[in-house]
Amino acid sequence: QLQLQESGPGLVKPSETLSLTCTVSGGSMGSSDYYWGWIRQPPGKGLEWIGIMHYTGDSYYNPSLRSRVTISVDTTKKHFSLELSSVTATDTAVYYCARFGSSSGCFDPWGQGTLVSVSS
Amino acid sequence: DIQMTQSPSSVSASVGDRVTITCRASQTISSFLAWYQQKPGEAPKLLIYSASNLQSGVPSRFSGSGSGTDFTLTINSLQPEDFAIYYCQQAKSFPLAFGQGTKVEIK
Repeated sequence: QLQLQESGPGLVKPSETLSLTCTVSGGSMGSSDYYWGWIRQPPGKGLEWIGIMHYTGDSYYNPSLRSRVTISVDTTKKHFSLELSSVTATDTAVYYCARFGSSSGCFDPWGQGTLVSVSS
Repeated sequence: DIQMTQSPSSVSASVGDRVTITCRASQTISSFLAWYQQKPGEAPKLLIYSASNLQSGVPSRFSGSGSGTDFTLTINSLQPEDFAIYYCQQAKSFPLAFGQGTKVEIK
């Protein structure tokens, strides 16, 4: 079955760029039916959608983060990535990667999540 | 942008109870609604998609209903493993949006 796993630094300095990778195993990333996405959750708070990307390059981003976010997909390496620039303490959160079904409109499965703290 | 509002924010219930959680969209989303369950320290898990379709492997005591702007997640005969936070998510249009969550607590 499809599994996703996030990886990347757990600590990022203010004003720097947060970079995470999600490795996909147990399935293909090249299906037309799915996008690959990121969601985050500040400690003790709710879920915030960041963005999704199709392997063809089609993408959608949360307007509140659009100017600072880049998502990329590499089907040959079976991973996709998130870059969030100019981070501040408000970007401290657990970051989840997940597969998004274009017909179902929902995220499944999810990675386990990785906590990224922004602090000097 | 479509806003999602869940009620209540929290509910206390006992094992065996029926629990109902409501999610309201700020504009019509047809049936483009999903429900997730999140336990402490875990990633959210998909329960229901397209408002009323039970995800494979999810117990049948979970059910979803509604269309347009008003949706309901019902848990029949609450089990100990059901104490968690539940989120709705609209998929009618971008930006995607989640509700603020409903915590189901032990009475």
